[in-house]
Amino acid sequence: EPEVTQTPSHQVTQMGQEVILRCVPISNHLYFYWYRQILGQKVEFLVSFYNNEISEKSEIFDDQFSVERPDGSNFTLKIRSTKLEDSAMYFCASRNEGEQFFGPGTRLTVL
Amino acid sequence: GIQVEQSPPDLILQEGANSTLRCNFSDSVNNLQWFHQNPWGQLINLFYIPSGTKQNGRLSATTVATERYSLLYISSSQTTDSGVYFCAVGGATSGSRLTFGEGTQLTVNP
Repeated sequence: EPEVTQTPSHQVTQMGQEVILRCVPISNHLYFYWYRQILGQKVEFLVSFYNNEISEKSEIFDDQFSVERPDGSNFTLKIRSTKLEDSAMYFCASRNEGEQFFGPGTRLTVL
Repeated sequence: GIQVEQSPPDLILQEGANSTLRCNFSDSVNNLQWFHQNPWGQLINLFYIPSGTKQNGRLSATTVATERYSLLYISSSQTTDSGVYFCAVGGATSGSRLTFGEGTQLTVNP
C-alpha cells in the first residue's frame, strides 16, 4: 500500500542553524501539507501546497519557513534559522480527494 | 476558524471494556478523520468519515454532520489501544486544512 515517507526520523540542530525536512508524498497525490506538533500539544496546520505554489498558510508559517517541491517526488520544509520553540514533531501529508495521508513524522530538537 | 472539541480529555479503562470518544465541531465539514497517535508519535489513520458509519474490527465511527459531532467506539479494549486519539476536521469554508482537537488520552490497564 502506498504511503507517505519522511526523512530524517530525528534531527538535532543548534539554534540559528538551517534545517530541511524531507517528505515523499504518495505518487499520484496533488495536494501536500505540513503540520507540526509541539510535545504534549495538539497537531497544528502549517501550510498547504498545490500546483507548485502555496495555497494556504497559517500564522505560524512566517518568513523563517519555506516549502518547495524540487522535483517530481520530494516535498521539503525549510526552517532558515531555527529557534528553541521550533522543537516539535513535523508531519507531512498528501491527498487527492478527501482523506489526508500522514507520514510518520520528523522529530526536530533545537538546542 | 472551525473549532473542534474532544471529550473526555482522559479515559482510563480495564482491558475488555468498551468506550466512546466524542468530537464536536463548530461548522459544516467536508472532511473528518480519526487518528491514533502511538507511543512513537506516529499518527495512525483510523477512519475517514465526513458522514455516516464505518467499522473496522473492534473500532467503529459515526459522524452526524447535521448535528456537528462524531463518535469513535472502541469495543473489547486492549492494552495496545492506549495512546492519544485525535479527531481532525476540514471545514467547508476553511480550505483543505485539517483542524485537530486536543485529543483523548486513553489508558487501558491489564
